[in-house]
Amino acid sequence: NAGVTQTPKFRVLKTGQSMTLLCAQDMNHEYMYWYRQDPGMGLRLIHYSVGEGTTAKGEVPDGYNVSRLKKQNFLLGLESAAPSQTSVYFCASSYIPGTEAFFGQGTRLTVV
Amino acid sequence: TQLLEQSPQFLSIQEGENLTVYCNSSSVFSSLQWYRQEPGEGPVLLVTVVTGGEVKKLKRLTFQFGDARKDSSLHITAAQPGDTGLYLCAGLDAGNNRKLIWGLGTSLAVNP
Repeated sequence: NAGVTQTPKFRVLKTGQSMTLLCAQDMNHEYMYWYRQDPGMGLRLIHYSVGEGTTAKGEVPDGYNVSRLKKQNFLLGLESAAPSQTSVYFCASSYIPGTEAFFGQGTRLTVV
Repeated sequence: TQLLEQSPQFLSIQEGENLTVYCNSSSVFSSLQWYRQEPGEGPVLLVTVVTGGEVKKLKRLTFQFGDARKDSSLHITAAQPGDTGLYLCAGLDAGNNRKLIWGLGTSLAVNP
């Protein structure tokens, strides 16, 4: 009954450090997404994947990279963190766009 | 740039009151979803509407999709404190069925 699991839940980074956010889903969904959510800005799509081995840019991809080596996992990387990347990050998965999207609990990232 | 405008942005009401939240766009959508997000959690799907003019009810919540499939509304009858949360609408672009467009959300507080 796990659904979508994100790790870690909280993280504080110094400017210039790198990190990887992990997302795992157990629903056999083809589509996976990474969003960031900021006050007044809503949910903004960073990158998405339409299946194992594929990735595509969303509306705010700069400063982030992703990989989908296995169907159930979608990784989001920050190579050199900047204060502007302070946000709450959500991973989601769905069968196809427009069907129910299942979200993880979010990762609250602070870059100082 | 396609936009999905939600109004009001914030709403604070007393328990037992009725309210309506609106989601409007100049774009046509194949379908439109409503999600509710509670603090510290990811959004959870409430309903998907697909047909122009469609009305769906979920207990005290009534969802309507506009005839032209460009707008939607969410009406809550006799609001309860448990309805408190961020309500998000998301429309699937009719011209690109991979593109989900999110509204900025309506933050609802229902006071006992």
